[in-house]
This record gives sequence, C-alpha cells and structure tokens, in this order.
Amino acid sequence: GAGVSQTPSNKVTEKGKYVELRCDPISGHTALYWYRQSLGQGPEFLIYFQGTGAADDSGLPNDRFFAVRPEGSVSTLKIQRTERGDSAVYLCASSPRGSEDTQYFGPGTRLTVL
Amino acid sequence: AQKVTQAQTEISVVEKEDVTLDCVYETRDTTYYLFWYKQPPSGELVFLIRRNSFDEQNEISGRYSWNFQKSTSSFNFTITASQVVDSAVYFCALSEARGTYKYIFGTGTRLKVLA
Repeated sequence: GAGVSQTPSNKVTEKGKYVELRCDPISGHTALYWYRQSLGQGPEFLIYFQGTGAADDSGLPNDRFFAVRPEGSVSTLKIQRTERGDSAVYLCASSPRGSEDTQYFGPGTRLTVL
Repeated sequence: AQKVTQAQTEISVVEKEDVTLDCVYETRDTTYYLFWYKQPPSGELVFLIRRNSFDEQNEISGRYSWNFQKSTSSFNFTITASQVVDSAVYFCALSEARGTYKYIFGTGTRLKVLA
C-alpha cells in the first residue's frame, strides 16, 4: 500500500516568507508526527496529532510554527516569517494508533530559507 | 531525561566485512521501546527493528542482528558480510511508553561500505 507522502519535496523561500508543508499519512493511521532534521543530526520531535487534535506540541520551537490536521488525515505544517535557521528537512511520520506502534516516515520536505 | 548516544559518527568498511553500530540510551522509564532506522541517500527513514524493554532476546534477520543489553543500556546493531547497498546513515531511537510515544533519536552513524 501507499506509504507516507510529503509535498513539496523541496521548498526554497526567502527570509520572512510564509510556507506550508503537507503530509499525507498512511491510510487509516490515526497518529501523525512531525520531526525536523538539521544537517548531520537526528530528527527532533515537533508535534504529535491523535486524530484531529494536537496532543503534544511541545517540540515546536516558537510561535512562528503551527500545524493543523482538520479532518484527521492530511496535516499541514505552517511556518510564518521564515528565518535562515528554519532550513532543515521536515519529516512526517504516521502510526496506526500512536501508543506503542512503530512510526513510518515519509521522504521529507527539504526547506531552504535564503 | 531521555537521551540516545551514537558515538560513532562515521564508519568505513570493505565489502564483506562485519560491522557493529553502537547505541547507548538513557531513560528513567521501566517501559520503553528502542528502534533502528536506516536513512539511505534518498533521505527516507526506513524502519528496521523495534524492541520493547521487557524483551532482551537478541534478534537476527538475514544479515542483520541486534544485541539488546539492559545492564549496559545498549542496543547494538551488527551487519554481517556488509554490502555496498548497506551504505547509509543509521539511527537508533528511544520511545517513551507513555504520552505521545515520540521518538528521541541519536545523531546517527554514517556507514560507508567500499567495494
């Protein structure tokens, strides 16, 4: 079956602009996670959705970052007033229920802020 | 606090050699999960294995094997008879068994297998 998909695969933007990154989880997976991976580092947790609600957004670095999942499937990560330090690969993962299920990752969106 | 340490930043081996990737973790939880993921040049994280804290049995899957030792808080990964296709960055991760089950990743080990 189809895995987690993310669009766009690459996004280049200018400092100060607004960007949206999209994640399509595996069909039927209720848990969705966003991570950020900087060059040479492991992914770092940003936010977790269980269904439509953000159950844990403790990893969001500041209030310029926001994510939604209005219908409990597709999620959008939104970054306002982008800064050069936001440049990274943004990874999305889904799992059947959350709990102890294994997370399956998408290919990521590489964001470059000039 | 929870932490995962992968002290080996990069390892180079010649094809057919065996190689072990180290992972040491810290947690105060008695129930937790450990994972290994492979990240090839394409960038996608590929799931390899999951272990829960109550299962210390070693596991073998083809050329891959994992050694979990709670006494030393280690979860090491061995590739036997390495192949060029094994070249990738390998991540070890720890998941709390409560709340969000978010993963805490190590910094990864880049494995280069030379022909």
